[in-house]
Amino acid sequence: GNSVTQMEGPVTLSEEAFLTINCTYTATGYPSLFWYVQYPGEGLQLLLKATKADDKGSNKGFEATYRKETTSFHLEKGSVQVSDSAVYFCALRLTGGGNKLTFGTGTQLKVEL
Amino acid sequence: SAVISQKPSRDICQRGTSLTIQCQVDSQVTMMFWYRQQPGQSLTLIATANQGSEATYESGFVIDKFPISRPNLTFSTLTVSNMSPEDSSIYLCSVEWGGLSTDTQYFGPGTRLTVL
Repeated sequence: GNSVTQMEGPVTLSEEAFLTINCTYTATGYPSLFWYVQYPGEGLQLLLKATKADDKGSNKGFEATYRKETTSFHLEKGSVQVSDSAVYFCALRLTGGGNKLTFGTGTQLKVEL
Repeated sequence: SAVISQKPSRDICQRGTSLTIQCQVDSQVTMMFWYRQQPGQSLTLIATANQGSEATYESGFVIDKFPISRPNLTFSTLTVSNMSPEDSSIYLCSVEWGGLSTDTQYFGPGTRLTVL
């Protein structure tokens, strides 16, 4: 079956630190990959996506590269801010496969001054 | 992207009662989805709702417990029936937006349900 594995949280960083949140996946087909973010008390927002191998998704200073050889889609940001404190979810969706999103367990990020 | 609203945003309900959650989209969309996010956990798909057909439920979810309506291309409801404290969760609707196989799902703000 399809699954997504994320690094355990919570992750606590100082402002301006470098962020990496690891995400690996298992899929029976060729998935599109997504990062969603959930700020406290809010719903999910799409952060970035990549639809094929070697694609790089980017948004708001965050980046993730679709690595087929390592089945990974790690989220990175060069300098985090307090406002980045949120829960980050990695997800996959098989193309043409019923449109279901499979989510990882989420990684809570806390950024301190 | 589509703008999605949900009502209510939160509710506190008594055991044994039912709650209907509404999801409204500002554009016509073919596919709508209902997810559950239990406290501290990830999202689990409950069902997929296409206009004009019965909802398709995921393993572990049944129509008697979570009846869904999809009367048109911009609206859907999810009812949580005969609630118990285990149903306390955030319920989110999402829609598919953008085109063919690269469609992206966008989420509503969620309904935070507490069952006493």
